[in-house]
Amino acid sequence: AQKVTQAQTEISVVEKEDVTLDCVYETRDTTYYLFWYKQPPSGELVFLIRRNSFDEQNEISGRYSWNFQKSTSSFNFTITASQVVDSAVYFCALSEEYNFNKFYFGSGTKLNVKP
Amino acid sequence: DSGVTQTPKHLITATGQRVTLRCSPRSGDLSVYWYQQSLDQGLQFLIQYYNGEERAKGNILERFSAQQFPDLHSELNLSSLELGDSALYFCASSVEDSAYEQYFGPGTRLTVT
Repeated sequence: AQKVTQAQTEISVVEKEDVTLDCVYETRDTTYYLFWYKQPPSGELVFLIRRNSFDEQNEISGRYSWNFQKSTSSFNFTITASQVVDSAVYFCALSEEYNFNKFYFGSGTKLNVKP
Repeated sequence: DSGVTQTPKHLITATGQRVTLRCSPRSGDLSVYWYQQSLDQGLQFLIQYYNGEERAKGNILERFSAQQFPDLHSELNLSSLELGDSALYFCASSVEDSAYEQYFGPGTRLTVT
């Protein structure tokens, strides 16, 4: 079974639209970390956020926001007023207590933002 | 620029051959991770080293091996290459051991013909 599921393979929006990227994870550990990374067309993955399992507060960073819900095992990412530069593949990842160094990445969601 | 460097950027080789990919972590980072990204398998964690010691292993084939040297650079060795090994190989570094944000290098694109 996939530990991290990103069901949306590809999403296309028009600039200035809001868009939410879904991430559902699976773990038996009570302590774990969740991450989001962005992979722009240039290829290099860029860290966006890290959240531990004990902190369910939503986080906002500029146009980016994250909604962590343990009850549904989801860690969704919303981009408000999307821009063309947001076009990239976005990955959600999980690191579990039994081995924090072993990272599980979702299959990624490709976001296309059209002008 | 993440500060992580990887060489070479591109590598084309034949089946059965052996190659070495090199990674230099960000200054001050002790932890190095290796990943394989392919169209069918996605982004797969291979192995992690911290200050010269292997700390975690993922889906790394027996034909693959890695090490981290005293100067903290790391090398990933791929041997008896198969067509299916064609992929983008990323190195990432992190300041600590365990669940910290990782900084990725630009990757090495390996093509096995």
